[in-house]
Amino acid sequence: QQPVQSPQAVILREGEDAVINCSSSKALYSVHWYRQKHGEAPVFLMILLKGGEQKGHDKISASFNEKKQQSSLYLTASQLSYSGTYFCGTEYSTSGSRLTFGEGTQLTVNP
Amino acid sequence: DAGITQSPRHKVTETGTPVTLRCHQTENHRYMYWYRQDPGHGLRLIHYSYGVKDTDKGEVSDGYSVSRSKTEDFLLTLESATSSQTSVYFCAISGDIGTRAYFGPGTRLTVT
Repeated sequence: QQPVQSPQAVILREGEDAVINCSSSKALYSVHWYRQKHGEAPVFLMILLKGGEQKGHDKISASFNEKKQQSSLYLTASQLSYSGTYFCGTEYSTSGSRLTFGEGTQLTVNP
Repeated sequence: DAGITQSPRHKVTETGTPVTLRCHQTENHRYMYWYRQDPGHGLRLIHYSYGVKDTDKGEVSDGYSVSRSKTEDFLLTLESATSSQTSVYFCAISGDIGTRAYFGPGTRLTVT
């Protein structure tokens, strides 16, 4: 069961902020965030575990709302290098679970 | 970066022929995944493995089979390739549930 991401696409100017959301209809154990540049493999950004937490590094952070089974990725003061497709991945339990991804959010940062 | 490779990196094959893609890891990770990526569909899980000889289906498993006889290798087989299986295939590994996944470089498969 794939998580649902929104929005599908975002266009920003350098320095603007963006929020990408990821939601699930099932109880989540973990939420992963990855970024993919065109023609490359996805690259890990961060992982949040059940228990509700917030993580971040540099100007990219994320939150996990366990009650709502939602996660949000926050990109502040966007840079040109932030352009790419962002994927959230989810796992639903601690045993035999599998990592499934949403359809992605295409982020474009313009000068 | 984690040691994960995929072979071949590019392949062109004809409809009806069998194709095997290989994912090899040197990290001794327990979980291995095969995804396909098509425009507008994100990363869709084909099959995954949670141990040697332990595999399970993903969301789009029809037409694909897998095998994992060693920790380090996870094979994806298209028994009789079809044009709808033209895609980019990514392998990923992770040590356990709740830990980050590492992706291989991808295999671009074209079925003519």
